[in-house]
Amino acid sequence: AQSVAQPEDQVNVAEGNPLTVKCTYSVSGNPYLFWYVQYPNRGLQFLLKYITGDNLVKGSYGFEAEFNKSQTSFHLKKPSALVSDSALYFCAVRDRGYQKVTFGTGTKLQVIP
Amino acid sequence: GAGVSQSPRYKVAKRGQDVALRCDPISGHVSLFWYQQALGQGPEFLTYFQNEAQLDKSGLPSDRFFAERPEGSVSTLKIQRTQQEDSAVYLCASSLLPGLARGGELFFGEGSRLTVL
Repeated sequence: AQSVAQPEDQVNVAEGNPLTVKCTYSVSGNPYLFWYVQYPNRGLQFLLKYITGDNLVKGSYGFEAEFNKSQTSFHLKKPSALVSDSALYFCAVRDRGYQKVTFGTGTKLQVIP
Repeated sequence: GAGVSQSPRYKVAKRGQDVALRCDPISGHVSLFWYQQALGQGPEFLTYFQNEAQLDKSGLPSDRFFAERPEGSVSTLKIQRTQQEDSAVYLCASSLLPGLARGGELFFGEGSRLTVL
């Protein structure tokens, strides 16, 4: 079985400050890991993914994520938050060899001007 | 098309009615997924197609839920005898590669919001 935990329902950060949205995962094998963002009344949009190789993955809109195998974490980061980054962020995992992608419960990011 | 298209965007049904939700994936995308997203929750997997073959339907919550993709492109999710607990946003996603090979990402539609009264 595979699962994802996003321990924070909401993260508040001041505009211009660095942000981190936390994610931990559980899979029986090696994972593919993803971050998606959802704006109100919209579908999910892909931000970035980890497949293999470099543990620091760079994605859209200046976001990056760090894969840490020993801590089974894949935290989303951005050096300087924008008000327009305010949205709902979902971490997702897929065990290699399986097709189903499992999503976390989401973290609402609020960037305060 | 340019993106994944879902219709209707909003559907209100009376309890006991049947509903059909349509998904038109990105042209050429082999893999198609349906997810259910309840209010304040993450998407929950319902079913997966590779072309016209339904390879995984383990997430369908009951036999009232049925999905098809007869020609390997457009898919329909049908819910029979709707119940209030079926109220949710139903998301369709597609991916170019079969079986999400090499960690291919999903492209989501905007969803169909179903409200059962």
